[in-house]
Amino acid sequence: GESVGLHLPTLSVQEGDNSIINCAYSNSASDYFIWYKQESGKGPQFIIDIRSNMDKRQGQRVTVLLNKTVKHLSLQIAATQPGDSAVYFCAETSWGGTSYGKLTFGQGTILTVHP
Amino acid sequence: DVKVTQSSRYLVKRTGEKVFLECVQDMDHENMFWYRQDPGLGLRLIYFSYDVKMKEKGDIPEGYSVSREKKERFSLILESASTNQTSMYLCASSRTGQETQYFGPGTRLLVL
Repeated sequence: GESVGLHLPTLSVQEGDNSIINCAYSNSASDYFIWYKQESGKGPQFIIDIRSNMDKRQGQRVTVLLNKTVKHLSLQIAATQPGDSAVYFCAETSWGGTSYGKLTFGQGTILTVHP
Repeated sequence: DVKVTQSSRYLVKRTGEKVFLECVQDMDHENMFWYRQDPGLGLRLIYFSYDVKMKEKGDIPEGYSVSREKKERFSLILESASTNQTSMYLCASSRTGQETQYFGPGTRLLVL
């Protein structure tokens, strides 16, 4: 079956640095991609999403880039703060048919921000 | 804000017990999902429901069943708990046509 994966399982950065978390996906029919943040002991929280007809989307301190040619997704966090320390998941779905919006999740990257 | 709540944060059960995990969402979402999360395996879909009384198997339904009698509530049932069902269980909901899923805080289940 199709899968979504992450290049790096862990990432350590200094406070104030920019962070880049990468994700590779294999389903060329994917329509929609989401980044989630999961803090210790909590459920995943929505950060930002992007549709397949876009290649970049910006939020507050976060930017998601989509490269459909190489099936690659990245999450950029500007001026990383200790509160950004968490596990970050990418997820994808190909809407339509009987998928009912089922998401396929990557394994997750642990981001650690050092003060 | 979307709120998804789960009945317990932590649960300890014995092998062979019947276990109920409850999930409630307050945003009138049509779709609800149950996942388990294990180290190194990520989130795996157990069951989902796209309407009241409707259910669909996910990727790992064996050993589980679900119930959706009301739109806001989706229950996960372990008929006879086993030690390999020790895990973090996450519930999520979404609105049809909007693919973003909103998650509850999770239930950490330990089966002894």
